[in-house]
Amino acid sequence: DAGVTQSPTHLIKTRGQQVTLRCSPKSGHDTVSWYQQALGQGPQFIFQYYEEEERQRGNFPDRFSGHQFPNYSSELNVNALLLGDSALYLCASSGTSYNEQFFGPGTRLTVL
Amino acid sequence: AQSVTQLGSHVSVSEGALVLLRCNYSSSVPPYLFWYVQYPNQGLQLLLKYTSAATLVKGINGFEAEFKKSETSFHLTKPSAHMSDAAEYFCAVSGPNFGNEKLTFGTGTRLTIIP
Repeated sequence: DAGVTQSPTHLIKTRGQQVTLRCSPKSGHDTVSWYQQALGQGPQFIFQYYEEEERQRGNFPDRFSGHQFPNYSSELNVNALLLGDSALYLCASSGTSYNEQFFGPGTRLTVL
Repeated sequence: AQSVTQLGSHVSVSEGALVLLRCNYSSSVPPYLFWYVQYPNQGLQLLLKYTSAATLVKGINGFEAEFKKSETSFHLTKPSAHMSDAAEYFCAVSGPNFGNEKLTFGTGTRLTIIP
């Protein structure tokens, strides 16, 4: 049983560009959450998707948007990239009957 | 709003010694509490969780944590440290309705094991 998978593993972009990160949840999970982890910090909640809709959102600007597909996979889009967006982006999945979230390996985004 | 505070950004213990990583939480309702471990350049792995059942929670790799409501604490312990325990440890809180709601993390504690 594959766990949570994320792609790509690493990504390098320049300021002002746009980026799309992808996540496939663990089998049987229907909820996907995204977190941003800056170097030396704890992960910060960006948003959570359930039934293809954004259910919760953290304190992130509208440049951060997402989508969930009918197969429960998800994308995180970031527009107008800033240097401060450089971080490890973590995807986590869960199910309505689970009281925990399972994390993927993350995508390391570097903005130059 | 929920929050967690991890005391000690760096903790060093000798191999075979007791590991104690501290976490205090703030929540207006009974929380769901978690400890995650992160190895270099990897994602987060769940060590253990408290979901209002037993107050002493046993996790993987010999770790355990005790929920103390009176102290608003959820400290992580392991009786005997192993070299493979060297990693970053995060305490997190979620809720109030379900444990799979957004997680609020502490700033982390880097554990170093001295041979």
